[in-house]
This record gives sequence, C-alpha cells and structure tokens, in this order.
Amino acid sequence: KAGVTQTPRYLIKTRGQQVTLSCSPISGHRSVSWYQQTPGQGLQFLFEYFSETQRNKGNFPGRFSGRQFSNSRSEMNVSTLELGDSALYLCASSLKAGELFFGEGSRLTVL
Amino acid sequence: EDQVTQSPEALRLQEGESSSLNCSYTVSGLRGLFWYRQDPGKGPEFLFTLYSAGEEKEKERLKATLTKKESFLHITAPKPEDSATYLCAVQAGDYKLSFGAGTTVTVRA
Repeated sequence: KAGVTQTPRYLIKTRGQQVTLSCSPISGHRSVSWYQQTPGQGLQFLFEYFSETQRNKGNFPGRFSGRQFSNSRSEMNVSTLELGDSALYLCASSLKAGELFFGEGSRLTVL
Repeated sequence: EDQVTQSPEALRLQEGESSSLNCSYTVSGLRGLFWYRQDPGKGPEFLFTLYSAGEEKEKERLKATLTKKESFLHITAPKPEDSATYLCAVQAGDYKLSFGAGTTVTVRA
C-alpha cells in the first residue's frame, strides 16, 4: 500500500516568491492535514481538509493557504515568502482522527 | 490554550537500560493523546492512541500509559534501533492536534 507522497522534496526560493506544495494521500484517506516543522517551534498545525472542505485551521497568516481536490489530493500555497517560512512542510492523511500517516515532507529554504 | 510539554528534551541510554519519557498536558476536553516516533529526515510515524486515564498500549519494547494530566512512554530494554525523537500530541475538543517538542532518545550499543 503506497504511503503519503509529497512533492517536491526539496526546494529553494527567494523572499517574495510564492510556492506550491503537493500531497497525495494514502488511497481511501479523505482527511489531509498540513504541518510546519522547524527546530524552534516544532510541529505546528496549518490546516486540515476533508472532502474538499477546510475543516480546521491553525494560527498562520493568510499567506498560507490550501485546497483539496475531489480525488483527495491536496496542495498548499505560501505567497510572498519570508525567511522565517524556511521549514519542513509535512502532509498527513488519516482515516481516524489523530492517527496521522505522514509523508516525508517538503523542505523549503527561503533565501 | 492547549499545552503539551515533553521531558526530558534528550535522553541517552545504554542498550538494555530501560527508561521513561513524560508528556504532560493541559487541554480543554481531551479527545485523545497520541504518540509518534520520528527518525531524522522523515515524517513522524504513528505509534499509539490513548483515550482515557488508566489506559495502556504496548508495542514491542514500548508501552504508553495515560493519567488525567500526563502520559508516559516506557522503553524497556532499548536497542539502538529505538533511537529516534518521540513526539506526543493531544487532540482537543476542536479536533486540532497540538504536538509537544519531543524527546530525542539515543541508545548506545
């Protein structure tokens, strides 16, 4: 059974640019969540989507947005990148609340 | 605001030396407490779910327990492959997951 797939795995952007990250969940999983992980702040919840609807949202500025498609695949977008957005962005899918299956993440570096 | 505090930050063990990790929490309306393991460069891997005080779950050398204010992850006779960062997370009434900062465990052969 294929796991959660995230693309791209690594990317480098400059301040002011925007970035789109993609996530393919485990087949049959309709819930997709996104997290930001940094050494200083740990794992911070960004948002959760279920059946194309945002079900929950963390405390991040509006520059961070996401969406989910009818096949449960999800994307997140960060606009007007700042240096502080450098992080590992993790996507997770789940069948049961709290029991998340994470991808390997997209490591974003903002220069 | 929901808070999850894990201690210690780091733990160095000799192979076979059992120990415990602590996760203390304050949350309004606990729906569940979850333990994850994260290896360097990888996403967290789900280990256990605990729902109510007194509940225990076991998997190989790991055993998780839950009280009303904290959870413990006991590692019995650890092996080098148990080296990882262990993360605790709580789910509140709003269904959001809040993660602790983690405990990094290093097991020396």
